[in-house]
Amino acid sequence: DAGVTQSPTHLIKTRGQQVTLRCSPKSGHDTVSWYQQALGQGPQFIFQYYEEEERQRGNFPDRFSGHQFPNYSSELNVNALLLGDSALYLCASSAGHWPPFVTSGGHNEQFFGPGTRLTVL
Amino acid sequence: QQPVQSPQAVILREGEDAVINCSSSKALYSVHWYRQKHGEAPVFLMILLKGGEQKGHEKISASFNEKKQQSSLYLTASQLSYSGTYFCGTESGGSNYKLTFGKGTLLTVNP
Repeated sequence: DAGVTQSPTHLIKTRGQQVTLRCSPKSGHDTVSWYQQALGQGPQFIFQYYEEEERQRGNFPDRFSGHQFPNYSSELNVNALLLGDSALYLCASSAGHWPPFVTSGGHNEQFFGPGTRLTVL
Repeated sequence: QQPVQSPQAVILREGEDAVINCSSSKALYSVHWYRQKHGEAPVFLMILLKGGEQKGHEKISASFNEKKQQSSLYLTASQLSYSGTYFCGTESGGSNYKLTFGKGTLLTVNP
């Protein structure tokens, strides 16, 4: 059973460019969350998708946008890249209905993918 | 608001115990604990829910004090494989279904 997968593994871009990162959730999972992790920091929540809709959003500018496809996979798009966007971008998936951490059987854990390391020069 | 973790770092010898704390200024609905090794994804350890339910790792235990909005992770008889950075993620509930992570606690277990 494949876990959460992300592509690409590494990416180097220059300021002003646009980037798209991809995520496939763990089998059976339908909720996808995206996080930005700067060096030495904890993951920071960007947004969360369920049923192809953005359900929750963190404190990130509109330059950060996303999409979820009918097969539950997701993309994160970042426009007009800044140096400060350099970070590890993590995708996490969880199972069940909405809300994502609550099901009739109790809470469901969230599984993280290996991340995409984005470097903006 | 970001939860505060303590200590920031701890060094143990194999077999010793450690406690990692996580506190929040907001009322919490649940606390999630993860361990991340260098260059790898965070790995789920434990969920603790308001009301006492918990779900997670066999060899790691945790507590959740709802009144104090605090959680503690207990690592007993530590093994070399326990080394890594431990993060707590807090969920405030209501209509806010997202995790806010602390800055992490770096745990190093030496032989």
